Amino acid sequence: DAKTTQPTSMDCAEGRAANLPCNHSTISGNEYVYWYRQIHSQGPQYIIHGLKNNETNEMASLIITEDRKSSTLILPHATLRDTAVYYCIVLKGLGNEKLTFGTGTRLTIIP
Amino acid sequence: DTGVSQDPRHKITKRGQNVTFRCDPISEHNRLYWYRQTLGQGPEFLTYFQNEAQLEKSRLLSDRFSAERPKGSFSTLEIQRTEQGDSAMYLCASSPTANTEAFFGQGTRLTVV
Repeated sequence: DAKTTQPTSMDCAEGRAANLPCNHSTISGNEYVYWYRQIHSQGPQYIIHGLKNNETNEMASLIITEDRKSSTLILPHATLRDTAVYYCIVLKGLGNEKLTFGTGTRLTIIP
Repeated sequence: DTGVSQDPRHKITKRGQNVTFRCDPISEHNRLYWYRQTLGQGPEFLTYFQNEAQLEKSRLLSDRFSAERPKGSFSTLEIQRTEQGDSAMYLCASSPTANTEAFFGQGTRLTVV
């Protein structure tokens, strides 16, 4: 699986959009970009995933660059409950069996 | 609640003792995963099951660790002769198939003293 690079930490003001970057320059054509987050003392929670096209769901938007070497997770209106560690993970398509977490980005939402 | 359930939530044990954790996945999820997470690190994969078959084990899973999923439903993770280095959060996750989102439990925090 491709390696990912994320900033160690970020702050964002409450109510503003939080933009979390991820570099995955060695991603292969059949690898997906997944995002999970982990709120303190809880298990990780799936947020969103994509292959080539931008994706949006009720939690977030995922913007993948055309060359697929980087992506950005956008939380459109951050709340205090979005304070968490966010993990960007690259997974092969069908057949991949496990998630390889890095150290993620610790996002702190500032009131 | 129909999420992944783990028991116990916390466990304190003396070095050298055996411990067993239980995970109840979401009903009808075929895949069940175990991860371990130490302070400040992301979760690390330990092993996973497809129904009752254990299909992959990480090198992190030493011979003191054993996991089972006897009827393809709940799973247990046993650690024998615990060491202080085993202190961690043990997370269980389940998914209906490969390449779909995994649903995690809240974990079992093990402290070995």
